Amino acid sequence: DIQMTQSPSSLSASVGDRVTITCQASQDISHYLNWYQQRPGEAPKLLIYDTSSLEAGVSSRFSGTGSGTDFTLTITSLQPEDFATYYCQQYDNVPITFGQGTRLDIK
Amino acid sequence: QVQLQESGPGLVKPSQTLSLTCTVSGDSINSRSYYWSWIRQPAGKGLEWIGRIRASGATNYNPSLKSRGTISADTSKNQFSLTLTSVTAADTAVYYCTRDFWSGNYYYYMDVWGKGTPVTVSS
Repeated sequence: DIQMTQSPSSLSASVGDRVTITCQASQDISHYLNWYQQRPGEAPKLLIYDTSSLEAGVSSRFSGTGSGTDFTLTITSLQPEDFATYYCQQYDNVPITFGQGTRLDIK
Repeated sequence: QVQLQESGPGLVKPSQTLSLTCTVSGDSINSRSYYWSWIRQPAGKGLEWIGRIRASGATNYNPSLKSRGTISADTSKNQFSLTLTSVTAADTAVYYCTRDFWSGNYYYYMDVWGKGTPVTVSS
């Protein structure tokens, strides 16, 4: 299985801040990476697919980069609704695997 | 608007079989562009992909289930289901069904999620 490791596991930031979450794959997954946001009590929501493509309706404050084994999710100008848990997910190989999540809290 | 709704018992006894159904509205599970997956999340923990099915009936599973899981589809009802045998407390989680867009060789992502159904394994 491909292991996905996110860092940090938790992060505190303020409204208006810029934050970056990283995701590292245990082997080369090319560009086959997605990012999801999960608010408490809700199902995850797709944010970014194929490393850097923004899902329809998702704010342009979210962006993704990377290739191979190292990927990043950046959120600019944090808004109150952005405080949630974020997961990366690889689809290069089955089983599909997720990172352990990064919890973003309000400072 | 595509919607997925999970249903099934909220409580299952250890060693018994868990059965969940996902009812799809606004799309057909026969669509060639999609897979249909089950994902679970224990309380306070991360997401675990269980497995998926596509229109052809082809399935893939997470080896972590140790062959306890089966995913099937009922096209007449536009539903797909998960059966998990010999459950233990470790199977306690919120179970989600998802629609997975698949471009054939480039994109693959879970674009529609059900709200999730909590399952507790306990005697």
